Amino acid sequence: DAGVTQSPTHLIKTRGQQVTLRCSPKSGHDTVSWYQQALGQGPQFIFQYYEEEERQRGNFPDRFSGHQFPNYSSELNVNALLLGDSALYLCASSLTGREQYFGPGTRLTVT
Amino acid sequence: KQEVTQIPAALSVPEGENLVLNCSFTDSAIYNLQWFRQDPGKGLTSLLLIQSSQREQTSGRLNASLDKSSGRSTLYIAASQPGDSATYLCALSSGTYKYIFGTGTRLKVLA
Repeated sequence: DAGVTQSPTHLIKTRGQQVTLRCSPKSGHDTVSWYQQALGQGPQFIFQYYEEEERQRGNFPDRFSGHQFPNYSSELNVNALLLGDSALYLCASSLTGREQYFGPGTRLTVT
Repeated sequence: KQEVTQIPAALSVPEGENLVLNCSFTDSAIYNLQWFRQDPGKGLTSLLLIQSSQREQTSGRLNASLDKSSGRSTLYIAASQPGDSATYLCALSSGTYKYIFGTGTRLKVLA
């Protein structure tokens, strides 16, 4: 079992650009959640996808959007990047209502 | 609004000590609580999951307890080892959706 995988591992972007991060859930899981973790802080919930629909959203602007595909994999898109978007982006998968499993994360640096 | 606090923020102990990490929350209406370990710059590794109806869970040298009435969870680590050095995060959900995280306790076990 490959567990939760994320790509890319690291990414450097310039302010104003757009970025897409990808996540493949653990085998058998149908729910994907995305979190942003700033340095020294706990992860903050961005949104969760289930059955290709956004089920719940945290306190993040519309610049953050996502998608879930029929195979349950997911993408996180961030438009008009700001310096403050620099963080570790974590993807978690679960079978609805059960234990969440996290991927290794994508480190995004905005310059 | 649910708030999660972890005390202490940092802890340094000699190898072999038993230690307790604390997690407190303001709303007792939780669905489950999960403890994670995070190594620097890495993703989260799930340690223990406690469902709302449970009082504790054990895995090897780790024991987590949950007291909803007092809004507290503790993670007990027995016979600590240098390899236990990491940041420990607690997270809880009030439903089947997002997790709310504490800011973590940075543990250093000295050889």
